[in-house]
Amino acid sequence: DIQMTQSPSTLSASVGDRVTITCRASQSISSWLAWYQQKPGKAPKLLIYKASSLESGVPSRFSGSGSGTDFTLTISSLQPDDFATYYCQQYNSYLWGFGQGTKVEIK
Amino acid sequence: EVQLLESGGGLVQPGKSLRLSCAASGFTFNNYAMCWVRQAPGKGLEWVSAIGGGGGSTYYADSVKGRFTISRDNSKNTLYLQMNSLRAEDTAVYYCSKEKLIVGARTYAMDVWGQGTTVTVSS
Repeated sequence: DIQMTQSPSTLSASVGDRVTITCRASQSISSWLAWYQQKPGKAPKLLIYKASSLESGVPSRFSGSGSGTDFTLTISSLQPDDFATYYCQQYNSYLWGFGQGTKVEIK
Repeated sequence: EVQLLESGGGLVQPGKSLRLSCAASGFTFNNYAMCWVRQAPGKGLEWVSAIGGGGGSTYYADSVKGRFTISRDNSKNTLYLQMNSLRAEDTAVYYCSKEKLIVGARTYAMDVWGQGTTVTVSS
């Protein structure tokens, strides 16, 4: 099974900061990587699919990049609504898996 | 409106069984693969199982293989998760989710999620 290593686990940032979260796969997953945002007590929300495609309705300050084993989620200018936990999710050979999550906190 | 609504959660003793349901509406259900994802209290997301649109292909995480069975009834637009031999570590909120398609092509991402149903395994 593929292991996803997401970092950092916690990130303290201020409104307006540029924020970067990374996910590394233990083997190549091509571009089958998605990013989700989750707020307490709520279901996850899809932000990015196929590594870099922005989901409809998601603000353009969110972007994704990478392929193979190394992937990045970037928030270009952190907004108050962005304080949440973020997860990467991979697919390979009929199995899905999530990273451990990154909690973005107010600095 | 595209919607998923889970039901069937509750308190169950270790070793017992429970069946979760997920009622889908607002999209052509049999065109889409579906997943179950769970989240233990205070923990991250864990993929549990997936099923193809026709129901013939099923996939499981190692942690539930042999104990859980995913199925679907496309005539009722409903997804199921039969959970047997439940353990304390199966305690979680269980979400059903729909795979995103782009012009009919798979993305393996999940674009619609239900609100979740809580399963507690305890004596």
